[in-house]
Amino acid sequence: DTEVTQTPKHLVMGMTNKKSLKCEQHMGHRAMYWYKQKAKKPPELMFVYSYEKLSINESVPSRFSPECPNSSLLNLHLHALQPEDSALYLCASSPSFGGGIHEQYFGPGTRLTVT
Amino acid sequence: GNSVTQMEGPVTLSEEAFLTINCTYTATGYPSLFWYVQYPGEGLQLLLKATKADDKGSNKGFEATYRKETTSFHLEKGSVQVSDSAVYFCARKGINTSYDKVIFGPGTSLSVIP
Repeated sequence: DTEVTQTPKHLVMGMTNKKSLKCEQHMGHRAMYWYKQKAKKPPELMFVYSYEKLSINESVPSRFSPECPNSSLLNLHLHALQPEDSALYLCASSPSFGGGIHEQYFGPGTRLTVT
Repeated sequence: GNSVTQMEGPVTLSEEAFLTINCTYTATGYPSLFWYVQYPGEGLQLLLKATKADDKGSNKGFEATYRKETTSFHLEKGSVQVSDSAVYFCARKGINTSYDKVIFGPGTSLSVIP
């Protein structure tokens, strides 16, 4: 199984809502990532988890809160978002973290619209 | 610095035409190099990779060769199909960095017309 799954596929939320994005992989990967992708742009790294611990936060606003409940799951909790946060949110995983040749496997993404 | 440059397009080709998408990188040392493809409405998929100089990655008729002397990793396909219409991202990952950050190029949009 080389699949990373993400739910929901689409999400529309108001600026006062609280919602969560979910990501799951069953490849035994120990590194998981959240990316944000705006239209016609490359993905921008947000967070990196290694062995269920947050290793990298790329100066992401606190209205985005990541969580890694176990080695297969990654969540992104959203609260008080702004319209400019509307984007495709991609989850990825890789076998390990910390310099190497392993590629990242991406999920299909959650298309988020903030109204 | 560490960066990836690629032709941004959009590129429009007729079916069965030859495709080249140029990609060059700057890096300390010898990074691993990747091409990812993103079909409309989907996430990124790894298309091919090369991990050392002179390696050739290939998949689904696409090829790219890791050229150390020109710091390039150009993507080629001999005969494109309509189903190849997508955005292609060149990417690199360092082997001597403190963490596993992938640097993406800006992406090249390809449209193949019948």
